[in-house]
Amino acid sequence: GAVVSQHPSWVICKSGTSVKIECRSLDFQATTMFWYRQFPKQSLMLMATSNEGSKATYEQGVEKDKFLINHASLTLSTLTVTSAHPEDSSFYICSATTSNTQYFGPGTRLTVL
Amino acid sequence: KQEVTQIPAALSVPEGENLVLNCSFTDSAIYNLQWFRQDPGKGLTSLLLIQSSQREQTSGRLNASLDKSSGRSTLYIAASQPGDSATYLCAVTYGGSQGNLIFGKGTKLSVKP
Repeated sequence: GAVVSQHPSWVICKSGTSVKIECRSLDFQATTMFWYRQFPKQSLMLMATSNEGSKATYEQGVEKDKFLINHASLTLSTLTVTSAHPEDSSFYICSATTSNTQYFGPGTRLTVL
Repeated sequence: KQEVTQIPAALSVPEGENLVLNCSFTDSAIYNLQWFRQDPGKGLTSLLLIQSSQREQTSGRLNASLDKSSGRSTLYIAASQPGDSATYLCAVTYGGSQGNLIFGKGTKLSVKP
Protein backbone atom coordinates (compact mmCIF):
# COMPACT_ATOMS: atom_id res chain seq x y z
CA GLY A 1 0.00 0.00 0.00
CA ALA A 2 0.90 3.66 -0.17
CA VAL A 3 3.40 4.65 2.50
CA VAL A 4 4.33 8.13 3.63
CA SER A 5 7.31 8.74 5.86
CA GLN A 6 8.36 11.76 7.89
CA HIS A 7 11.73 12.68 9.27
CA PRO A 8 12.52 13.34 11.99
CA SER A 9 9.88 11.72 14.16
CA TRP A 10 10.68 14.13 16.95
CA VAL A 11 12.91 17.12 17.42
CA ILE A 12 13.80 19.43 20.28
CA CYS A 13 15.35 22.77 19.46
CA LYS A 14 16.19 26.08 21.05
CA SER A 15 14.07 29.14 20.48
CA GLY A 16 15.21 31.09 17.43
CA THR A 17 16.56 28.15 15.47
CA SER A 18 15.09 26.70 12.28
CA VAL A 19 13.85 23.16 11.90
CA LYS A 20 13.28 21.23 8.69
CA ILE A 21 10.79 18.38 8.48
CA GLU A 22 10.73 16.04 5.51
CA CYS A 23 7.73 14.23 4.09
CA ARG A 24 8.29 11.47 1.55
CA SER A 25 5.95 9.26 -0.41
CA LEU A 26 7.88 6.00 -0.55
CA ASP A 27 6.14 3.98 -3.20
CA PHE A 28 4.09 6.45 -5.20
CA GLN A 29 4.33 9.87 -6.75
CA ALA A 30 2.33 12.62 -5.13
CA THR A 31 1.61 15.79 -7.01
CA THR A 32 -0.08 17.19 -3.92
CA MET A 33 1.00 17.00 -0.31
CA PHE A 34 -0.68 18.59 2.68
CA TRP A 35 0.82 19.82 5.94
CA TYR A 36 -1.24 19.72 9.12
CA ARG A 37 -0.56 20.85 12.66
CA GLN A 38 -2.13 19.46 15.80
CA PHE A 39 -1.93 21.17 19.18
CA PRO A 40 -2.74 19.16 22.30
CA LYS A 41 -6.40 18.24 22.53
CA GLN A 42 -7.14 20.12 19.33
CA SER A 43 -8.12 19.10 15.82
CA LEU A 44 -5.62 18.59 13.09
CA MET A 45 -5.57 21.87 11.23
CA LEU A 46 -4.48 22.24 7.65
CA MET A 47 -1.55 24.60 7.34
CA ALA A 48 -0.81 24.49 3.63
CA THR A 49 -1.23 22.60 0.41
CA SER A 50 1.97 21.82 -1.41
CA ASN A 51 2.01 21.18 -5.16
CA GLU A 52 5.09 19.88 -6.90
CA GLY A 53 6.90 22.57 -8.80
CA SER A 54 4.79 25.46 -7.61
CA LYS A 55 4.36 27.65 -4.58
CA ALA A 56 2.44 26.28 -1.65
CA THR A 57 -1.02 27.55 -0.79
CA TYR A 58 -1.30 28.59 2.83
CA GLU A 59 -4.39 28.59 4.99
CA GLN A 60 -5.55 31.78 6.60
CA GLY A 61 -3.53 32.65 9.65
CA VAL A 62 -0.48 30.59 8.67
CA GLU A 63 2.59 32.73 8.02
CA LYS A 64 4.20 31.69 4.77
CA ASP A 65 7.46 33.38 5.67
CA LYS A 66 7.67 31.43 8.90
CA PHE A 67 6.62 28.04 7.57
CA LEU A 68 8.58 27.52 4.38
CA ILE A 69 7.38 24.70 2.18
CA ASN A 70 9.36 23.24 -0.69
CA HIS A 71 7.92 20.53 -2.93
CA ALA A 72 10.91 19.91 -5.16
CA SER A 73 9.97 16.46 -6.42
CA LEU A 74 6.98 14.17 -6.73
CA THR A 75 8.07 12.24 -3.66
CA LEU A 76 9.40 14.89 -1.31
CA SER A 77 8.00 17.94 0.43
CA THR A 78 9.76 19.80 3.21
CA LEU A 79 8.44 22.12 5.88
CA THR A 80 10.91 24.47 7.51
CA VAL A 81 9.88 26.22 10.70
CA THR A 82 12.03 29.34 10.75
CA SER A 83 13.00 31.11 13.96
CA ALA A 84 10.98 28.65 15.98
CA HIS A 85 9.39 29.76 19.24
CA PRO A 86 7.79 27.75 22.04
CA GLU A 87 4.33 28.44 20.65
CA ASP A 88 5.34 26.54 17.52
CA SER A 89 5.67 23.39 19.59
CA SER A 90 3.18 21.00 18.07
CA PHE A 91 2.67 17.76 16.20
CA TYR A 92 3.17 18.23 12.47
CA ILE A 93 1.69 15.67 10.08
CA CYS A 94 1.93 15.53 6.33
CA SER A 95 -0.19 13.65 3.86
CA ALA A 96 0.24 12.77 0.21
CA THR A 97 -2.44 12.02 -2.30
CA THR A 98 -2.71 9.26 -4.85
CA SER A 99 -5.78 7.75 -6.48
CA ASN A 100 -7.94 10.37 -4.78
CA THR A 101 -6.87 9.18 -1.33
CA GLN A 102 -4.77 10.96 1.26
CA TYR A 103 -2.16 8.89 3.04
CA PHE A 104 -0.73 10.29 6.22
CA GLY A 105 2.76 10.27 7.57
CA PRO A 106 3.51 9.26 11.16
CA GLY A 107 4.01 12.85 12.25
CA THR A 108 6.82 14.89 13.76
CA ARG A 109 6.72 16.10 17.34
CA LEU A 110 8.41 19.50 17.58
CA THR A 111 9.34 20.91 20.97
CA VAL A 112 10.85 24.38 21.10
CA LEU A 113 12.56 25.27 24.37
CA LYS B 1 -17.89 28.14 8.75
CA GLN B 2 -17.32 24.45 8.09
CA GLU B 3 -16.85 22.65 11.38
CA VAL B 4 -16.73 19.07 12.57
CA THR B 5 -17.78 18.13 16.09
CA GLN B 6 -17.23 14.83 17.82
CA ILE B 7 -19.06 13.59 20.87
CA PRO B 8 -18.06 12.39 23.36
CA ALA B 9 -14.57 13.78 23.78
CA ALA B 10 -13.59 10.73 25.79
CA LEU B 11 -15.11 7.35 26.44
CA SER B 12 -14.13 4.51 28.71
CA VAL B 13 -15.78 1.11 28.37
CA PRO B 14 -15.13 -2.44 29.58
CA GLU B 15 -13.88 -4.97 27.10
CA GLY B 16 -16.58 -6.61 25.03
CA GLU B 17 -19.00 -3.72 24.92
CA ASN B 18 -20.44 -2.36 21.72
CA LEU B 19 -20.06 1.38 21.39
CA VAL B 20 -20.96 4.31 19.18
CA LEU B 21 -18.93 7.39 18.41
CA ASN B 22 -20.65 10.43 16.99
CA CYS B 23 -19.61 13.02 14.44
CA SER B 24 -21.53 16.01 13.15
CA PHE B 25 -20.65 18.53 10.48
CA THR B 26 -22.14 21.96 9.83
CA ASP B 27 -22.07 22.00 6.01
CA SER B 28 -23.81 19.00 4.50
CA ALA B 29 -22.27 19.50 1.02
CA ILE B 30 -19.49 17.06 1.73
CA TYR B 31 -17.57 15.09 -0.85
CA ASN B 32 -16.78 12.27 1.55
CA LEU B 33 -16.30 11.47 5.22
CA GLN B 34 -13.56 9.44 6.82
CA TRP B 35 -12.95 7.89 10.18
CA PHE B 36 -9.35 7.64 11.34
CA ARG B 37 -7.57 6.10 14.25
CA GLN B 38 -4.69 7.90 15.91
CA ASP B 39 -2.47 6.23 18.49
CA PRO B 40 -0.56 8.45 20.94
CA GLY B 41 2.20 10.38 19.19
CA LYS B 42 1.53 8.58 15.95
CA GLY B 43 0.09 9.37 12.57
CA LEU B 44 -3.34 8.56 11.27
CA THR B 45 -4.71 5.27 10.06
CA SER B 46 -7.73 5.46 7.82
CA LEU B 47 -10.46 3.11 9.02
CA LEU B 48 -13.43 3.77 6.79
CA LEU B 49 -14.27 6.17 4.00
CA ILE B 50 -17.84 6.94 3.03
CA GLN B 51 -18.59 8.75 -0.19
CA SER B 52 -21.36 11.35 -0.07
CA SER B 53 -23.66 9.06 -2.04
CA GLN B 54 -23.23 6.16 0.38
CA ARG B 55 -25.08 5.43 3.62
CA GLU B 56 -22.59 3.17 5.37
CA GLN B 57 -19.37 1.25 5.17
CA THR B 58 -18.25 -1.80 7.12
CA SER B 59 -14.86 -3.25 7.90
CA GLY B 60 -14.65 -6.11 10.36
CA ARG B 61 -16.03 -4.97 13.71
CA LEU B 62 -16.40 -1.40 12.50
CA ASN B 63 -19.44 0.09 10.85
CA ALA B 64 -19.74 3.73 9.86
CA SER B 65 -22.98 5.35 8.82
CA LEU B 66 -23.60 8.65 7.10
CA ASP B 67 -26.69 10.81 7.14
CA LYS B 68 -25.63 13.64 4.92
CA SER B 69 -28.85 15.61 5.12
CA SER B 70 -28.69 15.85 8.89
CA GLY B 71 -24.94 16.30 8.96
CA ARG B 72 -24.19 13.26 11.06
CA SER B 73 -22.06 10.16 11.04
CA THR B 74 -21.60 7.41 13.57
CA LEU B 75 -18.84 4.88 14.03
CA TYR B 76 -20.03 1.65 15.61
CA ILE B 77 -17.45 -0.65 17.18
CA ALA B 78 -18.66 -4.12 18.06
CA ALA B 79 -17.20 -6.28 20.80
CA SER B 80 -14.58 -3.73 21.79
CA GLN B 81 -11.06 -4.88 22.69
CA PRO B 82 -8.23 -3.22 24.64
CA GLY B 83 -6.37 -2.88 21.35
CA ASP B 84 -9.12 -0.56 20.15
CA SER B 85 -7.96 2.05 22.65
CA ALA B 86 -6.95 5.12 20.64
CA THR B 87 -8.29 8.47 19.52
CA TYR B 88 -10.82 8.27 16.73
CA LEU B 89 -11.01 11.18 14.35
CA CYS B 90 -13.78 12.07 11.98
CA ALA B 91 -12.91 14.19 8.94
CA VAL B 92 -14.92 15.53 6.04
CA THR B 93 -13.77 16.59 2.60
CA TYR B 94 -15.34 19.40 0.63
CA GLY B 95 -14.75 20.45 -2.92
CA GLY B 96 -13.87 17.16 -4.54
CA SER B 97 -11.25 14.48 -4.16
CA GLN B 98 -8.39 16.97 -3.87
CA GLY B 99 -10.13 19.06 -1.24
CA ASN B 100 -8.57 19.32 2.16
CA LEU B 101 -9.82 17.41 5.18
CA ILE B 102 -11.55 19.15 8.04
CA PHE B 103 -11.09 17.23 11.23
CA GLY B 104 -12.99 16.97 14.47
CA LYS B 105 -11.10 17.02 17.77
CA GLY B 106 -11.55 13.32 18.17
CA THR B 107 -12.95 10.89 20.71
CA LYS B 108 -10.40 9.30 23.01
CA LEU B 109 -11.46 5.72 23.59
CA SER B 110 -10.20 3.56 26.40
CA VAL B 111 -11.24 -0.09 26.48
CA LYS B 112 -10.44 -1.69 29.82
CA PRO B 113 -9.69 -5.40 30.08
